[in-house]
Amino acid sequence: EVQLVESGGGLVQPGGSLRLSCTASGFIFSSHWMHWVRQAPGKGPLWVSRINSDATGTDYADSVRGRFTITRDNAKNTLYLQMNSLRAEDTAVYYCARAPSYGDYWFDFWGQGALVTVSS
Amino acid sequence: EIVLTQSPVTLSVSPGERATLSCRASQSLSNNLAWYQQKPGQAPRLLIFGASTRATGIPARFSGSGSGTEFTLTISSLQSEDFAVYYCQHYNSWPPFFGGGTKVEIK
Repeated sequence: EVQLVESGGGLVQPGGSLRLSCTASGFIFSSHWMHWVRQAPGKGPLWVSRINSDATGTDYADSVRGRFTITRDNAKNTLYLQMNSLRAEDTAVYYCARAPSYGDYWFDFWGQGALVTVSS
Repeated sequence: EIVLTQSPVTLSVSPGERATLSCRASQSLSNNLAWYQQKPGQAPRLLIFGASTRATGIPARFSGSGSGTEFTLTISSLQSEDFAVYYCQHYNSWPPFFGGGTKVEIK
C-alpha cells in the first residue's frame, strides 16, 4: 500500500523557517518524481514545487521561488521542503504528492498533509 | 498561465440523482486534465486523469469527458460517500493549476 506521511508543520513567525518531511512507503520511491502542493484555508490546492527521481532537477511556483527548497533522500525514502522567509500568505496545509510517471504534473497519491501557520 | 473555472460553485443533489460538474480552461488543454475528490479534513483523491480515464479503484459511476477547453465530471447516481468538493487540475503546461472547486451537497 502506498503511504506518504508528512511531518514538521507548526506555527512560525513571519520571516521564520520550517522544514517539512514526507516519508514514503509501499512503492519504489527513487523511481518517482515527487511534488509539494499546498492548500490555504477554504481555497483550492496550489502546486508549489517538484523534484525529479534522482534529485537532479527541481522547479518552483513563482510565489515561492528563492525562498523554498525541495530535496529528497532516496536512501531514506524521504522528501523535504525547506521553507525560509515565511509570509502570512504561506499559511496552508502542505501535501506531498506522487507523480505516477516521469514528467507528470498530476498526482495519484497524496499524504495526509501538514499544517503550516505563519503568524506573529 | 492557464486558468480553470469550475461551475457551479455549489451543486445540491439528492442521493441517487445524477451530478454534472463543469471545468472550463482559458486555453486549450488537449486532454491533460485530472479530477480530484476532497472530503473535509482529508487530502484530495485522484478520480480521473487524461480527461476520461478512471484511476485505480474508482467506481464506474464516475466518468470524465471533454477536451480542449470544456470538461465535465459526471457522477451517474450519487451515493452518500460522494458528497464532497471536486477539483479539476490541468497539467498541459507549466505551471499546473487547480480550479476553485465545486461542492456537491445533499439536497
